[in-house]
Amino acid sequence: GAVVSQHPSWVICKSGTSVKIECRSLDFQATTMFWYRQFPKQSLMLMATSNEGSKATYEQGVEKDKFLINHASLTLSTLTVTSAHPEDSSFYICSAKNFLAGGQETQYFGPGTRLLVL
Amino acid sequence: GENVEQHPSTLSVQEGDSAVIKCTYSDSASNYFPWYKQELGKRPQLIIDIRSNVGEKKDQRIAVTLNKTAKHFSLHITETQPEDSAVYFCAASSPFIGYGGSQGNLIFGKGTKLSVKP
Repeated sequence: GAVVSQHPSWVICKSGTSVKIECRSLDFQATTMFWYRQFPKQSLMLMATSNEGSKATYEQGVEKDKFLINHASLTLSTLTVTSAHPEDSSFYICSAKNFLAGGQETQYFGPGTRLLVL
Repeated sequence: GENVEQHPSTLSVQEGDSAVIKCTYSDSASNYFPWYKQELGKRPQLIIDIRSNVGEKKDQRIAVTLNKTAKHFSLHITETQPEDSAVYFCAASSPFIGYGGSQGNLIFGKGTKLSVKP
């Protein structure tokens, strides 16, 4: 099946610093990738939709200036958490849209990045 | 926009029993309904999905049913095993018709923590 990787898997940083997370589709091209945030014991919350070559579409309540998304190629999207604060500590997961045989769409998730802001 | 409700939030069954998780959705245009299994600290894994042109789909011990009229879909796990213990998420998405909108995005339910007791 399709493989999506994320790097890094773990980040511990000081409050006020910026953190970049990479999401890569390893064996397919993904024109659309998604970024989710998951707090402990909660569901996945869609933060934004990342479209290759264009601006990301952010969900209501997600600050686009704080969560910078760049989808510069068909296999890479990056999420930068700027001026991170302890409340940004969470599990960040990306997914990439792919097409199955027959043209049906599905999404494959990356392994996630656990961010801890001290 | 789409809203997905999932019940129950926790489910405990004895090994060998069946487990049923139910979801409802609000957007009648939604046409893709995947189910994901997430083990602690890991990425969600797609376990089965169903599209709106199908009423039921089965894969070994797992089955999904869809009632478009009532806008609900259910996951059925038969002969449960301890390794089935995890959090299960349902999701719904509407057809992707172009960039810039939310169509095609997965909207997740809040999850069901399934515990299978040996």
